[in-house]
Amino acid sequence: AQSVTQLGSHVSVSEGALVLLRCNYSSSVPPYLFWYVQYPNQGLQLLLKYTTGATLVKGINGFEAEFKKSETSFHLTKPSAHMSDAAEYFCAVTRGDSSYKLIFGSGTRLLVRP
Amino acid sequence: DAGVTQSPTHLIKTRGQQVTLRCSPKSGHDTVSWYQQALGQGPQFIFQYYEEEERQRGNFPDRFSGHQFPNYSSELNVNALLLGDSALYLCASSFGRTLYNEQFFGPGTRLTVL
Repeated sequence: AQSVTQLGSHVSVSEGALVLLRCNYSSSVPPYLFWYVQYPNQGLQLLLKYTTGATLVKGINGFEAEFKKSETSFHLTKPSAHMSDAAEYFCAVTRGDSSYKLIFGSGTRLLVRP
Repeated sequence: DAGVTQSPTHLIKTRGQQVTLRCSPKSGHDTVSWYQQALGQGPQFIFQYYEEEERQRGNFPDRFSGHQFPNYSSELNVNALLLGDSALYLCASSFGRTLYNEQFFGPGTRLTVL
């Protein structure tokens, strides 16, 4: 079975500081991995995804993530936080071979201090 | 492009009642997935509809059922409501011919069961 663990339900950073949101996954087959962002009272928006190929993936709004198979991780980073980055972030996984459903982590709320 | 739309925005029901939620997919999309997001949790996959049939189902009881219409819009029905059914219900649409395509999420319907 597949699962996702997001370490830290809340992360607080200062504006301009590095953002690091952690995601570890469990999968018996090569996974597809995703990061979504959810702003208050809105649906989820895809930030970036890894399917195959290059393990460093760049997404929207300056975010990127690196797929590390040996560590079963897919951490999300951004060099410099902006106030507008404050939101809930979800890591998700799906089977690359046979599944249509996304399995989400419990989310990390990013707080950005001025 | 209107994106994924859901109705109603909010809904209050009492235990034992039945509810129907509606979703219109993004233009050009033919696949609809439904997710339940409890407070403080990540979304959980309920089921996915493609070509008017349920293609895959998550771990939800038979009280949860759905339907997809020829115009690709979809309904989620929940019977015999329980307090634990209170959640944000998200609809996501995609183009379904390949195994995985990006899912676009609507803003959700917030269901409160009293």
